[in-house]
Amino acid sequence: EADIYQTPRYLVIGTGKKITLECSQTMGHDKMYWYQQDPGMELHLIHYSYGVNSTEKGDLSSESTVSRIRTEHFPLTLESARPSHTSQYLCASSEPSFYEQYFGPGTRLTVT
Amino acid sequence: AQRVTQPEKLLSVFKGAPVELKCNYSYSGSPELFWYVQYSRQRLQLLLRHISRESIKGFTADLNKGETSFHLKKPFAQEEDSAMYYCALAIYNFNKFYFGSGTKLNVKP
Repeated sequence: EADIYQTPRYLVIGTGKKITLECSQTMGHDKMYWYQQDPGMELHLIHYSYGVNSTEKGDLSSESTVSRIRTEHFPLTLESARPSHTSQYLCASSEPSFYEQYFGPGTRLTVT
Repeated sequence: AQRVTQPEKLLSVFKGAPVELKCNYSYSGSPELFWYVQYSRQRLQLLLRHISRESIKGFTADLNKGETSFHLKKPFAQEEDSAMYYCALAIYNFNKFYFGSGTKLNVKP
């Protein structure tokens, strides 16, 4: 079944560690997105991609980086985690000609 | 600058009562607006988009460019409507989306 997956679902990690949040989709979508959401706040677009080898930063400044080597895979990396990175991270994908975004279940990150 | 504003964090209504979730946006071009919904323990999903002008689960939303609003309405709320509702604005050929902070709708029996 076509779906969008995120792992891990929950992560508690110490300051200074390097982490990678995984996002994969089997929907064949070209466009993929990463959002950051603090509790009770807006979803903020931090990265997006039109397709393979294409990545762009969103409006919210983020210390994370992304890569898009394969259509289905859009991982997000934090080189050195800090407590300010504690948040929920949502991955989404969409077809080029459609407006609907399909969201993954999210990763809740806590940096101690 | 905040592009999408949802002024109510929480809206509580009784079953059968009308409900209106407010959304205001800020954008000088032609807006593409959406409502997304997140039910308990489920993912965020599209509820409706203004361009299709459809009614989903009894909900409708009308774009008012003069008031820059896109309020979500339902004449008779049901308990299963209880969820988080997010208003979203898409620009630049839908490569950028801006979401509001969400309104939690609680429909009481």
